[in-house]
Amino acid sequence: EIVLTQSPATLSLSPGERATLSCRASQSVSGSLTWFQQKPGQAPRLLIYDTSTRATGIPARFSGSGSGTDFTLSISSLEPEDFAVYYCQHRSSWPRVTFGPGTKVDIK
Amino acid sequence: EVQLLESGGGLVLPGGSLTLSCSASGFTFGNFAMNWVRQAPGKGLEWVSSIGSHYGSPYYGDSVRGRFTISRDNSKDMLYLQMSSLTVEDTAVYYCATDVAGHISDWGQGTLVTVSS
Repeated sequence: EIVLTQSPATLSLSPGERATLSCRASQSVSGSLTWFQQKPGQAPRLLIYDTSTRATGIPARFSGSGSGTDFTLSISSLEPEDFAVYYCQHRSSWPRVTFGPGTKVDIK
Repeated sequence: EVQLLESGGGLVLPGGSLTLSCSASGFTFGNFAMNWVRQAPGKGLEWVSSIGSHYGSPYYGDSVRGRFTISRDNSKDMLYLQMSSLTVEDTAVYYCATDVAGHISDWGQGTLVTVSS
């Protein structure tokens, strides 16, 4: 079973700064990676699927990249509404899903 | 606009049972697989169960297999999760979510299940 590790656990940044979030898989993943954003008291929201495709309505400041075991979610310039928890997720074979533990992006 | 509305959560005794419902609208429900994902208080996300679209083949995570049953009624645009033999470890917000082109997409607002004596 593939295990996803996210780093850092917490990322403290100021609005306007660039955020780089890492998701590492315990073994090379043949399928793609998905990223979700979750704000307190809200359901997760789909940001990125197929490693690098932005979901409908997601601003261009969000981008995803990576392959093999190393994947990255980047936020080019943090807006106040971007401070949240971000989860990566992988599906090796339908429908079993594995989530990473999350990275919290908070205000410095 | 896709809308998913979960209901049926509440307080239940250990060993008890509960059935969650998810009402779907804004899309052709029968054409899409569906998922249940849960989140324990202050914790991360855990996949619970999925069900295929038209023929509804069910799948379960290891922690709930044998205790939970997923089902759907495509004529009513409804998704269900029957939960039995509940333990305190099942305490969580339960979300229903659509499955689009192989990835989890839209989520409901969730319903809280608390297992406690």
